[in-house]
Amino acid sequence: DAKTTQPPSMDCAEGRAANLPCNHSTISGNEYVYWYRQIHSQGPQYIIHGLKNNETNEMASLIITEDRKSSTLILPHATLRDTAVYYCIFQGAGGTSYGKLTFGQGTILTVHP
Amino acid sequence: EAQVTQNPRYLITVTGKKLTVTCSQNMNHEYMSWYRQDPGLGLRQIYYSMNVEVTDKGDVPEGYKVSRKEKRNFPLILESPSPNQTSLYFCASSSGLGGTTQYFGPGTRLLVL
Repeated sequence: DAKTTQPPSMDCAEGRAANLPCNHSTISGNEYVYWYRQIHSQGPQYIIHGLKNNETNEMASLIITEDRKSSTLILPHATLRDTAVYYCIFQGAGGTSYGKLTFGQGTILTVHP
Repeated sequence: EAQVTQNPRYLITVTGKKLTVTCSQNMNHEYMSWYRQDPGLGLRQIYYSMNVEVTDKGDVPEGYKVSRKEKRNFPLILESPSPNQTSLYFCASSSGLGGTTQYFGPGTRLLVL
């Protein structure tokens, strides 16, 4: 089963960058790294994803190590509304179990004033 | 508006009384999936579907059934609900796998007495 490891919780001051790490040492070459977040009990919200290269969008940046065994989600200027549980998962583009997704425990990010 | 809808949003039922939670998406997505979320356990995949008439088990399929007769709908069926199925349920859809994002519904909170 695809598994990721994330720290259970992190704190960040408002306005500062939040760097959330994720280990995914069993990732395969055709599997994408995805980040989602969940605010309270709402449906998870997509943030960003990548395969090999670093990615940036209006919400965040994603840094993937060269060996692809870990990645870091960066929220460049965290706000109080970024307080949420952040999930790192990986999803394949093919193979026998590419539809099966495993969410880990996630990281509870608390942004404080 | 592109969205995933679930009904009902809240449901209280009794042990053994069959129920169905509906999920519908208006984005013509091929892939759909059901998750349950419990305190301390994160999101766990129940079933997923690659396309019409194609479904497969996720991590926790016991006690659940699904069907995919139409592309837009993916109902979750509990034939004989038990208290351990009390949970928060999410449906999700995406246009494919690998490089495509999942859109989650708002959730269905189920209490089985």
